[in-house]
Amino acid sequence: AQKVTQAQTEISVVEKEDVTLDCVYETRDTTYYLFWYKQPPSGELVFLIRRNSFDEQNEISGRYSWNFQKSTSSFNFTITASQVVDSAVYFCALRRMDSSYKLIFGSGTRLLVRP
Amino acid sequence: DTGVSQDPRHKITKRGQNVTFRCDPISEHNRLYWYRQTLGQGPEFLTYFQNEAQLEKSRLLSDRFSAERPKGSFSTLEIQRTEQGDSAMYLCASSLVGIGLAGYNEQFFGPGTRLTVL
Repeated sequence: AQKVTQAQTEISVVEKEDVTLDCVYETRDTTYYLFWYKQPPSGELVFLIRRNSFDEQNEISGRYSWNFQKSTSSFNFTITASQVVDSAVYFCALRRMDSSYKLIFGSGTRLLVRP
Repeated sequence: DTGVSQDPRHKITKRGQNVTFRCDPISEHNRLYWYRQTLGQGPEFLTYFQNEAQLEKSRLLSDRFSAERPKGSFSTLEIQRTEQGDSAMYLCASSLVGIGLAGYNEQFFGPGTRLTVL
């Protein structure tokens, strides 16, 4: 079975704090992709990152960084020096390598960054 | 604007009525997906099209739901005899899939149609 778990329902931080959003996934596939999407109040899902299961290198993009650990089936997302504009719901998703490429999403983590 | 668009953005209907949503994908994209997102949950896959062919339907897509993509461009999702449990955000996404693009296939999402069934 394919499953994505985001145990943190809601996180509240003060601006400039660092925050890590956890994502744990389950799959029997050896090849798969992992994603993070951001959903601001407007509702549109915004793609943040894609990671291939063969690539365990951590990635940094500005204030965002991602830690992929295959041994623990985790793909965590850290925002450094959070800003109010980071307030949104963040979804982690898994994609199998079948022909559909459909995404399996976690339940999301709502991040509130207070000024 | 060259992104994915959806219409309407909001729909309020009474139980038992039929509703239809429209999705216009990014113009060169050959794949179109429909997802449903209920409050406090992540999106769940409903169905997808490759050009005009509907290739997979989730078990979530009951007989009251039908989706079409008649010319391989825009798509419609119709719900017949709506029930209160159909209240959700319906998201459309599109992507480009082809030889040499394996592993990419980024799905670009539209703003969604929020359905409220009274």
